[in-house]
Amino acid sequence: SQTIHQWPATLVQPVGSPLSLECTVEGTSNPNLYWYRQAAGRGLQLLFYSVGIGQISSEVPQNLSASRPQDRQFILSSKKLLLSDSGFYLCAWSVSGQGVGELFFGEGSRLTVL
Amino acid sequence: QKEVEQNSGPLSVPEGAIASLNCTYSDRGSQSFFWYRQYSGKSPELIMFIYSNGDKEDGRFTAQLNKASQYVSLLIRDSQPSDSATYLCAVVTGANSKLTFGKGITLSVRP
Repeated sequence: SQTIHQWPATLVQPVGSPLSLECTVEGTSNPNLYWYRQAAGRGLQLLFYSVGIGQISSEVPQNLSASRPQDRQFILSSKKLLLSDSGFYLCAWSVSGQGVGELFFGEGSRLTVL
Repeated sequence: QKEVEQNSGPLSVPEGAIASLNCTYSDRGSQSFFWYRQYSGKSPELIMFIYSNGDKEDGRFTAQLNKASQYVSLLIRDSQPSDSATYLCAVVTGANSKLTFGKGITLSVRP
């Protein structure tokens, strides 16, 4: 069966510090991968998605970046965090070639920027 | 106009009642519709999807789609306290098939 793991689960970072969130998927090949952010009082916002190694599409201009160094690994990064980067970050995957709506989410990473 | 809109609630129903959760969308060309459940502090999980007009039943859950009126709803029969969660409506919209989420509605089932 397929599983998705995301870490760290919780982190508190000062403004201006770097960020690295990692996500891995097991039990499937060539998944579509996504990074979402859920801020308080707001809906899920798609940040990045990837259909293959090294292929990253950005949905929202910001100080975040994403990379996909391996087929089932997706990394979200920032060189300098802003207060507005606080939120619940969710990695998700879907089956390649199928509809984009059937997503399987990781456990989430709750980021607080102080 | 927001692309996917849900009444923010919260919605409170007694145990055993039917909970009705509604969602409207703006893109008339949308073809795929999804309901996710999110427990407090947890990640969303897909519980239902519907592509055709009408009803789709899965256990205690029924998704209803009306493309002419541009709304999709989720009915939960015999509501249980374990159904207490936030329910997110999601719609695939636009020519680039983007999945757009509503802000969600929080359901509370009173024992």
